Amino acid sequence: DAGVTQSPTHLIKTRGQQVTLRCSPKSGHDTVSWYQQALGQGPQFIFQYYEEEERQRGNFPDRFSGHQFPNYSSELNVNALLLGDSALYLCASSHGQRVLSGNTIYFGEGSWLTVV
Amino acid sequence: DAKTTQPPSMDCAEGRAANLPCNHSTISGNEYVYWYRQIHSQGPQYIIHGLKNNETNEMASLIITEDRKSSTLILPHATLRDTAVYYCIVRVRYDSGNTPLVFGKGTRLSVIA
Repeated sequence: DAGVTQSPTHLIKTRGQQVTLRCSPKSGHDTVSWYQQALGQGPQFIFQYYEEEERQRGNFPDRFSGHQFPNYSSELNVNALLLGDSALYLCASSHGQRVLSGNTIYFGEGSWLTVV
Repeated sequence: DAKTTQPPSMDCAEGRAANLPCNHSTISGNEYVYWYRQIHSQGPQYIIHGLKNNETNEMASLIITEDRKSSTLILPHATLRDTAVYYCIVRVRYDSGNTPLVFGKGTRLSVIA
């Protein structure tokens, strides 16, 4: 049973460029969330997708956008990259929308983005 | 903001039990306590969660006080591979959507040989 998979694992971009990160959720999961983790900090919630729509959003600018496909996979896009966008970007998946007996969220290994 | 308070760091001797405390004095009756850990440069790994009863799985035990204002994660026989940052998170039980996790700074556990 494959867990959450992300690609690429590492990438370097230049300030002002755009980047797309990809995520495949754990088998059976239909909800995908994205988190940003700066060096030395805990992960910060960016947004969540369910049924191909953005359902919740954290405190991130519109430069951060996403998409969810019919097969539940997801992309995170960041436009006009800033040096401060350098971070580990984590994808997390879960099943369903209601937290019943504890709807566990599982994380991928992340994509390291360096902006130079 | 995170609703939990954890010590920034702890040490534990290899083979001994590691007891990681967490304060969540403002927890609501419909909120779970979740524990995740993050080994250097990897994604967070789910460990265990509970509502009000003690829980145990193959990785750890979770002890929640009767008033639910604090909890302790117990790794019964810590190994060097348990060295990681451990996050204690409270998360609502029922929601119209899947509530995101709010991470604090966690506890950096160092297991020493």
